[in-house]
Amino acid sequence: ETVLTQSPATLSLSPGERATLSCRASQSVTNFLAWYQQKPGQAPRLLIYDASTRATGIPARFSGSGSGTDFTLTISSLEPEDFAVYYCQQRSNWPTTFGQGTKVEIK
Amino acid sequence: EVQLVESGGGLVKPGGSLRLSCGASGFTFSGHSMNWVRQAPGKGLEWVSFISSSSIYIQYADSVKGRFTISRDNAKDSLYLQMNSLRTEDTAVYYCARGIPERGAYDLWGPGTMVTVSS
Repeated sequence: ETVLTQSPATLSLSPGERATLSCRASQSVTNFLAWYQQKPGQAPRLLIYDASTRATGIPARFSGSGSGTDFTLTISSLEPEDFAVYYCQQRSNWPTTFGQGTKVEIK
Repeated sequence: EVQLVESGGGLVKPGGSLRLSCGASGFTFSGHSMNWVRQAPGKGLEWVSFISSSSIYIQYADSVKGRFTISRDNAKDSLYLQMNSLRTEDTAVYYCARGIPERGAYDLWGPGTMVTVSS
C-alpha cells in the first residue's frame, strides 16, 4: 500500500505566522491527494482535494501544492481556529491511505 | 441541513457483533459513494470500507475483510456497517463519509459513533 509520511509531527507557531506542512508518498499518487483538518472531539473536515482545489467554504489562506510524491499544505497566516491536526490522504492507489497527521499547536 | 449521523456504537465483547447505521439528510444520497473510516483512540484515520452509489462496487480494508459488510438503502437514505467477529483492535470511533463524485475525497462526515470491543 502507499505510505504517506507527514512532517513535521508537530509544528509550534504563533497566530499570524505561516504554516507549511509536508506530505510525502512512497510512490506516485499523481495529484490525487487531499488534506483534512481535525479538531479535538470533531470529525475531520475536507480542506483541499486533487492536491490544490479548495473545498467549498474553505478560506483562501489554505492552499495546496505538489504532484507525484511530494505535497505541501500552506496556511498563509494562522488564525486561532486553525490550530488542529492535519491529515493528508491519497486515493490514487488502492487502498486509499492517510498520513499519520501533523499537529499545529500554539507556540 | 446537509448532514450525516451515525448510530449503533457501543460496548461489545471480543467475537461479538454490532451493526452501525448512518442516516443522510439534505442531499441526494443515491448520487454519492459512501465510506466508513475509523479512528482508534489517540490515533490517526483508517479507511474501512467503500460502497458506490448503486452498491455495484464494494471494497474493504484487509484488516476487516471477511468480518465486516457494508450496505446501503437509497430509499431510506441510509448506510450500514455490519461488524462480526469483533476484535479489541476494532475499538475506534467510526465515521461515515461522503465521497465527492469522481474525486474520491470525502467532503461530508458524520460526528462519529464509538465502538469499544472489550471483555
